[in-house]
Amino acid sequence: GENVEQHPSTLSVQEGDSAVIKCTYSDSASNYFPWYKQELGKGPQLIIDIRSNVGEKKDQRIAVTLNKTAKHFSLHITETQPEDSAVYFCAASKKAGKSTFGDGTTLTVKP
Amino acid sequence: DGGITQSPKYLFRKEGQNVTLSCEQNLNHDAMYWYRQDPGQGLRLIYYSQIVNDFQKGDIAEGYSVSREKKESFPLTVTSAQKNPTAFYLCASSIDSGTGGRQYFGPGTRLTVT
Repeated sequence: GENVEQHPSTLSVQEGDSAVIKCTYSDSASNYFPWYKQELGKGPQLIIDIRSNVGEKKDQRIAVTLNKTAKHFSLHITETQPEDSAVYFCAASKKAGKSTFGDGTTLTVKP
Repeated sequence: DGGITQSPKYLFRKEGQNVTLSCEQNLNHDAMYWYRQDPGQGLRLIYYSQIVNDFQKGDIAEGYSVSREKKESFPLTVTSAQKNPTAFYLCASSIDSGTGGRQYFGPGTRLTVT
């Protein structure tokens, strides 16, 4: 089955700096790669996603890049703010019903 | 939380008791999922359903059961056979388009079994 590895497990940055979280996947048939943000005690919420026919997608301060050949994708957050502090999960799927999640990255943005 | 409700938010049970967690969605989504989340770990799939009256086991189905009698509802029962039931349980739904798609998560239920 699909295996998703996410790094780093914790990340601490100063407010205003950039943060990068990386994920690798094993199944070359995976075609959908979402990123979710989870605040303490809440359910994850989608922040950005990318499909395998696109190499990069940007939404304001957040961007995702995908390298299908290397089977990895990354989340980039620029100009980080304290409210960006949360746990971030990547996932990979190739059909509805089966998403494999990474173990999460705890991001702390220091004021 | 995207039209998905889970109740209750906190649940306490004694060991040996079965307990049912509620999940309802008003998004008209075909697919629904149950995940378990343990501290410092990712989401592990327990069961999923792509259509009413049908469901499939996920990666950690042992000790759990589900039903899907209505499109809007996908309750999860944690049975006494589940060895380590204390965890945070998340329900999600998605449009079943046949390809991977966004999942909408509920607020979660934290189950504590003593």
